[in-house]
Amino acid sequence: GAVVSQHPSRVICKSGTSVKIECRSLDFQATTMFWYRQFPKQSLMLMATSNEGSKATYEQGVEKDKFLINHASLTLSTLTVTSAHPEDSSFYICSARPVMNTEAFFGQGTRLTVV
Amino acid sequence: GDSVTQMEGPVTLSEEAFLTINCTYTATGYPSLFWYVQYPGEGLQLLLKATKADDKGSNKGFEATYRKETTSFHLEKGSVQVSDSAVYFCALSENTGGFKTIFGAGTRLFVKA
Repeated sequence: GAVVSQHPSRVICKSGTSVKIECRSLDFQATTMFWYRQFPKQSLMLMATSNEGSKATYEQGVEKDKFLINHASLTLSTLTVTSAHPEDSSFYICSARPVMNTEAFFGQGTRLTVV
Repeated sequence: GDSVTQMEGPVTLSEEAFLTINCTYTATGYPSLFWYVQYPGEGLQLLLKATKADDKGSNKGFEATYRKETTSFHLEKGSVQVSDSAVYFCALSENTGGFKTIFGAGTRLFVKA
């Protein structure tokens, strides 16, 4: 099956610093990738849709300047949390959907802790 | 917009009991439907899926049938085990437009020995 790799799986950073999370589709090309955020004991909330070669589409209420998304190739999307604060601590999950496929494949998630 | 509603938890069952977790959806098109499972501290695992009306998805004793007339995709298992304790998410994936996957709130299942 299709594999999506997310890195790092865990990261701890200091307040005010930026952290980058990578999402790679290992055995397929994905023109579209998605970034989700999950708070403890809650569901996954879609943050943005990442489109290869163009600007990401953010969901309402998501700060574009806080969560920078770059989809530079058909197999890689990155999420950068800028000037991180403790309230940005969360579980971030990416997904990628192969062209003409009914199913998106999910990375294993990144647990971000801002101290 | 499209949405998914699933029964609130937690659901607590004894081992070998019958499980039903209700899920209904609203969608403007013809989405694909999924159940995912999440164990503590882990990512999502696809449990089963159905891509069109009347399809039945099944895996590891779990089943769900895509019911277009009732816009439902209820998850069932005839005999649960302690190892089934996890959070279960119902989700739909749009097949047009933004192709997003939209999740229900999740239902936490506890199975007692």
